[in-house]
Amino acid sequence: GQNIDQPTEMTATEGAIVQINCTYQTSGFNGLFWYQQHAGEAPTFLSYNVLDGLEEKGRFSSFLSRSKGYSYLLLKELQMKDSASYLCAAMDSNYQLIWGAGTKLIIKP
Amino acid sequence: GAVVSQHPSWVICKSGTSVKIECRSLDFQATTMFWYRQFPKQSLMLMATSNEGSKATYEQGVEKDKFLINHASLTLSTLTVTSAHPEDSSFYICSARDIGATTYGYTFGSGTRLTVV
Repeated sequence: GQNIDQPTEMTATEGAIVQINCTYQTSGFNGLFWYQQHAGEAPTFLSYNVLDGLEEKGRFSSFLSRSKGYSYLLLKELQMKDSASYLCAAMDSNYQLIWGAGTKLIIKP
Repeated sequence: GAVVSQHPSWVICKSGTSVKIECRSLDFQATTMFWYRQFPKQSLMLMATSNEGSKATYEQGVEKDKFLINHASLTLSTLTVTSAHPEDSSFYICSARDIGATTYGYTFGSGTRLTVV
């Protein structure tokens, strides 16, 4: 079956770095997405990886290892506004997104 | 960038009535629109996939006669919750993929908070 696993909740300190991991199993693979979702709002696109390696975009970076079925989202210089849920989603061979349950990130001062 | 406009943002309706939610792609053609439902503290659950000009494909367990989807044009898809009941209260979100984008990004509407009383 198809499955996405990510931690339910993480806590980090303002100004610090946090890494949110995601493992996936899908029927075929056409890329891995990370989305940010604040409570009561729709998800917003953060990153897309389809090749192995690290993609850096400002304070956020995303890594993919296709052979391991593994990705992580790295958030640097954490700000209070980064408190949100972070959703990992893998695109299968039919270009459908398989969603993880999301990781709630709590930032403490 | 690609924008999907979703209306209404929130709606309260009486049990037994119907509610229509609209999603429009503003600057791209959305041949495929995805409809999700999200209950509190849970992830997105795909309800159905609608393709312009054809019948929607519903996920297992989603009643197609209760959640009517129409995708009559390349820029508009609608979801109608018929005979709504309190258990239908949820956050409904549409999403479309801009196939012209290089990163295969999915763009989401702003969501509709439905409360059935």
